[in-house]
Amino acid sequence: AQKVTQAQTEISVVEKEDVTLDCVYETRDTTYYLFWYKQPPSGELVFLIRRNSFDEQNEISGRYSWNFQKSTSSFNFTITASQVVDSAVYFCALSEEEYGGATNKLIFGTGTLLAVQP
Amino acid sequence: GAVVSQHPSRVICKSGTSVKIECRSLDFQATTMFWYRQFPKQSLMLMATSNEGSKATYEQGVEKDKFLINHASLTLSTLTVTSAHPEDSSFYICSARYNSGNTIYFGEGSWLTVV
Repeated sequence: AQKVTQAQTEISVVEKEDVTLDCVYETRDTTYYLFWYKQPPSGELVFLIRRNSFDEQNEISGRYSWNFQKSTSSFNFTITASQVVDSAVYFCALSEEEYGGATNKLIFGTGTLLAVQP
Repeated sequence: GAVVSQHPSRVICKSGTSVKIECRSLDFQATTMFWYRQFPKQSLMLMATSNEGSKATYEQGVEKDKFLINHASLTLSTLTVTSAHPEDSSFYICSARYNSGNTIYFGEGSWLTVV
């Protein structure tokens, strides 16, 4: 069965600190996709990254970076030099591949509320 | 880029009435859309998969007669909450599969309050 675990319910940091949000997943499939979304108080989901199971290269996008390790089934997200605007709930999600390569439904973790204090 | 739009963004309805939420893919065709529900401070839970031209596939525990899904065109899926009750108050958000399934885009979500 698929499962996504975000053990950190809430994290509070001071502006300019680095922060890592943990994500551990479970799946029996060899082909799957991992996602991170940001959900500000307004509710919409902001897409941050999609990674397929065959690409273990770490990725950096500005102040954001992601560490994908299949050996530990983890897909952690780090924000460097955090800012108040980073305050939101962050969701990690997993999708298994359908026949034909299509992305299936997303299984979300419980989310981590990040509060960045000025 | 691809955009998914939901309407209305907020709706208040009386208990016992029905309310319809629309999910539109604005600049692409979506054969498959997904409907999620999110209770306050909780995660998003998939309710159903909406397939254009065929019946929706509901997740276990979701009442298909209460949450009616219609995907009549390649750019529009609707979720109708029938005989709404206060416990149906939630944030409903849709997503659409783009470009043969390689990307998923979410709508802005709809806040439903049943009074």
